[in-house]
Amino acid sequence: KAGVTQTPRYLIKTRGQQVTLSCSPISGHRSVSWYQQTPGQGLQFLFEYFSETQRNKGNFPGRFSGRQFSNSRSEMNVSTLELGDSALYLCASSPGRSDQETQYFGPGTRLLVL
Amino acid sequence: SQQGEEDPQALSIQEGENATMNCSYKTSINNLQWYRQNSGRGLVHLILIRSNEREKHSGRLRVTLDTSKKSSSLLITASRAADTASYFCATDRSSNTGKLIFGQGTTLQVKP
Repeated sequence: KAGVTQTPRYLIKTRGQQVTLSCSPISGHRSVSWYQQTPGQGLQFLFEYFSETQRNKGNFPGRFSGRQFSNSRSEMNVSTLELGDSALYLCASSPGRSDQETQYFGPGTRLLVL
Repeated sequence: SQQGEEDPQALSIQEGENATMNCSYKTSINNLQWYRQNSGRGLVHLILIRSNEREKHSGRLRVTLDTSKKSSSLLITASRAADTASYFCATDRSSNTGKLIFGQGTTLQVKP
């Protein structure tokens, strides 16, 4: 099976702009989670989607949002970008059926906000 | 906030030596997972250990879990230069939430 894919891989934006990142999970996986990784804060959970519904949410401002489509592909959106949003954004997929599942990560999207 | 604390933060060893990394966490968990990350790229899953398991092996990897001490360790035996990476533990506290809480990671350098 193909792994988790994320597009774009690299992105440069300026403050105040918005950005949309895309994640395609492993075929058959219905859960997609998003994480932000920065040198200062490490890896932090943003949110998780399962069957087009947000099932859990981390402690991020409302500028960070996401959605999931019927084919399980997911997008996350960040509006009104701030310099501190510069980070590696990782998505992960899993079947979503049990609480003992491995999450498989994509290569990430590196976002630079100038 | 981070659930786990990893120790040491950085580790440098020679090829062929064993590397041990430790992870402590704060709350009860369903399982604990270890991941590897090369140079700020995606995370590669290494091993998952359930809360009712005490030890697990996968190739050159050995993971232990002590729920009474809320700690886990990852042992890499006979290390290779290709093992150079950052290693993270991640805990899953709740059912079906897809939420992993990561430690800060241990940066391992294996010198040839």
